[in-house]
Amino acid sequence: DAGITQSPRHKVTETGTPVTLRCHQTENHRYMYWYRQDPGHGLRLIHYSYGVKDTDKGEVSDGYSVSRSKTEDFLLTLESATSSQTSVYFCAIRAPLAQTGGYTFGSGTRLTVV
Amino acid sequence: GESVGLHLPTLSVQEGDNSIINCAYSNSASDYFIWYKQESGKGPQFIIDIRSNMDKRQGQRVTVLLNKTVKHLSLQIAATQPGDSAVYFCAEITLGNQAGTALIFGKGTTLSVSS
Repeated sequence: DAGITQSPRHKVTETGTPVTLRCHQTENHRYMYWYRQDPGHGLRLIHYSYGVKDTDKGEVSDGYSVSRSKTEDFLLTLESATSSQTSVYFCAIRAPLAQTGGYTFGSGTRLTVV
Repeated sequence: GESVGLHLPTLSVQEGDNSIINCAYSNSASDYFIWYKQESGKGPQFIIDIRSNMDKRQGQRVTVLLNKTVKHLSLQIAATQPGDSAVYFCAEITLGNQAGTALIFGKGTTLSVSS
């Protein structure tokens, strides 16, 4: 989607290894979000950020950490990947003053932990 | 806890039919309800939203109905086309909540349109 990119698009990693997913935006939006999507669960919020160095936990934050050192980048880290973290990860940004239509999602990162 | 969910995981229709996708929610404090469409390999895309003080809202070929009495909303797609085939999610948002106004999603309904 325009203005937001996720990398990598696909990754296979081994259990116990650290993994970092990157979300990059060119819109200069304040709010950024990380979701995971699993069959039967829809999208669930992992962490979110409301500014540089300002982050907080979402519904399923255990096992994940995030960092936001620049407005444009929001990183999601799995310190020690587990098989239960196999999922598709989506990043989203929210335009200011927008109520509902201002969310834009990236194309996702498919992570497989073996 | 609060949740947003959909009644049926799959819906199959013929091209040209009208489709109705349902969603039940539990958070009576939600400010908006939103419908998203997700095509294979892509992120969710905004379709239409409805504020909690409204009963109905229409867009291009889509209508969302909100029944606050039974905490139910639906997405109606008129003259369904093969390009409408996707997974549809309802989501809710509570303005000013702790999670930075994050969207809370339901589980999704897969719409399959056959021609």
